[in-house]
Amino acid sequence: GEDVEQSLFLSVREGDSSVINCTYTDSSSTYLYWYKQEPGAGLQLLTYIFSNMDMKQDQRLTVLLNKKDKHLSLRIADTQTGDSAIYFCAESITGYSTLTFGKGTMLLVSP
Amino acid sequence: NAGVMQNPRHLVRRRGQEARLRCSPMKGHSHVYWYRQLPEEGLKFMVYLQKENIIDESGMPKERFSAEFPKEGPSILRIQQVVRGDSAAYFCASSPVLHEPHYEQYFGPGTRLTVT
Repeated sequence: GEDVEQSLFLSVREGDSSVINCTYTDSSSTYLYWYKQEPGAGLQLLTYIFSNMDMKQDQRLTVLLNKKDKHLSLRIADTQTGDSAIYFCAESITGYSTLTFGKGTMLLVSP
Repeated sequence: NAGVMQNPRHLVRRRGQEARLRCSPMKGHSHVYWYRQLPEEGLKFMVYLQKENIIDESGMPKERFSAEFPKEGPSILRIQQVVRGDSAAYFCASSPVLHEPHYEQYFGPGTRLTVT
């Protein structure tokens, strides 16, 4: 099975909060990442969290990590239409090792 | 400081031809990673290179695929005798010399390979 799993699709209205969930299986994962991919573009790192942290906040983004359940979530507050994209969860064993990605969650924000 | 550059952005090859994908890392970055994204899939790691060295090629198919990162010039991902299943987006990422516990991988815009 997949090492990193995500729900495939999320639809929200502009101004609402979006929560994108991810589960991973490798307990030795040290760093967990959220990347954003807009249509036809490469991946942009949004934020990352080290495995000894429970939460990280960066402006409209909040990352929650439940290491016991191997569950990671990304909350986007006040979601805008420009947030519509595919969001990938990824993990690595060390900070410079290769990344293992989920299949991505397509976020659609309607006005 | 230009970002990671990949060319071509789109590449069409007939079955049996060779595909060469190029990646120029960000200035000052000496580590390059190649990932492949099949339709409706996440990115899958293929190979990790430093200048003139392959560090990890565990994700690379054993046949037809090769990668290099010479002392001068871009990193090249080469696919010989392409088949339809090679159609995908190929992303390159780079990171700087490693002295810290964490380094971000900066991704290029990708090369979309279509095999007809």
